[in-house]
Amino acid sequence: DADVTQTPRNRITKTGKRIMLECSQTKGHDRMYWYRQDPGLGLRLIYYSFDVKDINKGEISDGYSVSRQAQAKFSLSLESAIPNQTALYFCATSDSPSGAGELFFGEGSRLTVL
Amino acid sequence: RKEVEQDPGPFNVPEGATVAFNCTYSNSASQSFFWYRQDCRKEPKLLMSVYSSGNEDGRFTAQLNRASQYISLLIRDSKLSDSATYLCVVNGPGGYQKVTFGTGTKLQVIP
Repeated sequence: DADVTQTPRNRITKTGKRIMLECSQTKGHDRMYWYRQDPGLGLRLIYYSFDVKDINKGEISDGYSVSRQAQAKFSLSLESAIPNQTALYFCATSDSPSGAGELFFGEGSRLTVL
Repeated sequence: RKEVEQDPGPFNVPEGATVAFNCTYSNSASQSFFWYRQDCRKEPKLLMSVYSSGNEDGRFTAQLNRASQYISLLIRDSKLSDSATYLCVVNGPGGYQKVTFGTGTKLQVIP
């Protein structure tokens, strides 16, 4: 089983719908991240959390919200999905406060907004 | 100028060839450097960290040139299984919220 698990793996939805992507991890890491990947662009940070009580906006947080329900769970919500949110979304974890260590990614959630 | 720039490729090389990728970064305060590998439609996975002194892991060698602000990845004796996209990742001071991913260089090793 994967250490970082994302659900759903694929989702097709319509404009205006609310969508939640879930991430759970068994690595015991405090730090969790949500990224999106678009063709021709690098991964971009949406939100990150250093512990259950800590939530921070990343580079492209508009249109998204997150919830850190427990150390192991970090969910990303699209309140009202729009077509330009069609992308591949990755959850990641790390145990490095300085950023010098490895990022561990989930398998990704492919979202299509029609 | 992009913070992290990579040649998108694709690099099409025969099995057994040596191939090198470069990546330039714009923030001179960057502190940590990595190469990640991403297979098609899969998650990125760490290939290797890049140290100032350079480092080698089997057929893979990574180098950092702080003066010219670039990192490189050399793959010797290419295998079919090396076919993937290689992401350059640069981290500024302040933790992972400052990490910047390159768009990746696609490598296709052909028989």
